[in-house]
Amino acid sequence: SQTIHQWPATLVQPVGSPLSLECTVEGTSNPNLYWYRQAAGRGLQLLFYSVGIGQISSEVPQNLSASRPQDRQFILSSKKLLLSDSGFYLCAWAPGGGNNEQFFGPGTRLTVL
Amino acid sequence: AQSVTQPDIHITVSEGASLELRCNYSYGATPYLFWYVQSPGQGLQLLLKYFSGDTLVQGIKGFEAEFKRSQSSFNLRKPSVHWSDAAEYFCAARVTGFQKLVFGTGTRLLVSP
Repeated sequence: SQTIHQWPATLVQPVGSPLSLECTVEGTSNPNLYWYRQAAGRGLQLLFYSVGIGQISSEVPQNLSASRPQDRQFILSSKKLLLSDSGFYLCAWAPGGGNNEQFFGPGTRLTVL
Repeated sequence: AQSVTQPDIHITVSEGASLELRCNYSYGATPYLFWYVQSPGQGLQLLLKYFSGDTLVQGIKGFEAEFKRSQSSFNLRKPSVHWSDAAEYFCAARVTGFQKLVFGTGTRLLVSP
């Protein structure tokens, strides 16, 4: 069966520090991968998605970037964090090639101080 | 623009009472439709999905949803709510050919004794 992992689970970082959040999927190949942010009391905002290695689509201009160095690995990064980057970050995967559900990881709670 | 609307931000239901959470979509064609549930600090879990066919869809945990094309709605229902159903519920939609889900802003369900 497929599983999706995110780490770390929680992170407290000072303003201006770098960020790296990792997401990995097991038990499938060539998945579509997604990064969402969920700010307190708000819905999900799609940040990036990827349909293959090295292919990244950005949904909103922001302080963050994403990379997909391997088929089942998706990384969210920042060179300098802002206070507004605080939130709950969710990674998700979906079968590539036309199926539709997305399956979500447990999330990372990021607090920028 | 394509959108998903959940008009109720909060709903409080007594334990044992019935539940209906509203979801409306705005798309040119009938999208694929989903309901997810999120417990505090957790990722999202898929409750059910509608692709085509029977407009009444059964999901996990005793939930069901009914697709009504004439009303552009996909409301989630449960005949008898349990205290463990307290969570946030998200409706989402996707159109064929697009890799992305569009989420509503969520409805927080509170269950009173």
